[in-house]
Amino acid sequence: GQNIDQPTEMTATEGAIVQINCTYQTSGFNGLFWYQQHAGEAPTFLSYNVLDGLEEKGRFSSFLSRSKGYSYLLLKELQMKDSASYLCAVADSNYQLIWGAGTKLIIKP
Amino acid sequence: GAVVSQHPSWVICKSGTSVKIECRSLDFQATTMFWYRQFPKQSLMLMATSNEGSKATYEQGVEKDKFLINHASLTLSTLTVTSAHPEDSSFYICSARSTGTSLPITDTQYFGPGTRLTVL
Repeated sequence: GQNIDQPTEMTATEGAIVQINCTYQTSGFNGLFWYQQHAGEAPTFLSYNVLDGLEEKGRFSSFLSRSKGYSYLLLKELQMKDSASYLCAVADSNYQLIWGAGTKLIIKP
Repeated sequence: GAVVSQHPSWVICKSGTSVKIECRSLDFQATTMFWYRQFPKQSLMLMATSNEGSKATYEQGVEKDKFLINHASLTLSTLTVTSAHPEDSSFYICSARSTGTSLPITDTQYFGPGTRLTVL
């Protein structure tokens, strides 16, 4: 079966760094996506990885290892507005997105 | 680029009535649009995949006669909740998958802002 695993909830301090992990088992792989979803709002696209390695975008970076079926989203210099759920999704062989349940990130002052 | 709009953003209706939700890709063409439903504190649930000019593909357990989907053009898909009941109250979100080369990333799903449906 297809499966995406990520922690349910994480807590971090404002100004710190947090890493949200995602492991996956899917039928085929056409890229891994990270989305941010604030409470009551729709998800917004953060990053896309299809090759191994680290993609950096400002305070956010995303890493992928296809051989390990593993990705992480790294958030630096955390701000209160980063409190949200972070969704990991993998595009399978049919380009259908398989969604993780999301990681709720709580930022404390 | 990659803006998706949804209308209405919220709607309250009486039980038994039908509600239509529109999803538009404003600055790109999307041959595929997706409809999701999300209950409070739960993850996204894919309801159906909508391809332009063809019938939608529904996920298991989603009634196609209750949730009518029309994808008449490359920029517009509609979801009609027919004979809505209180249990249909949810947050309905559409996404559009980019297929062109003008966007930063193809095959990425870009989400609309969502429609909050409350059925009394």
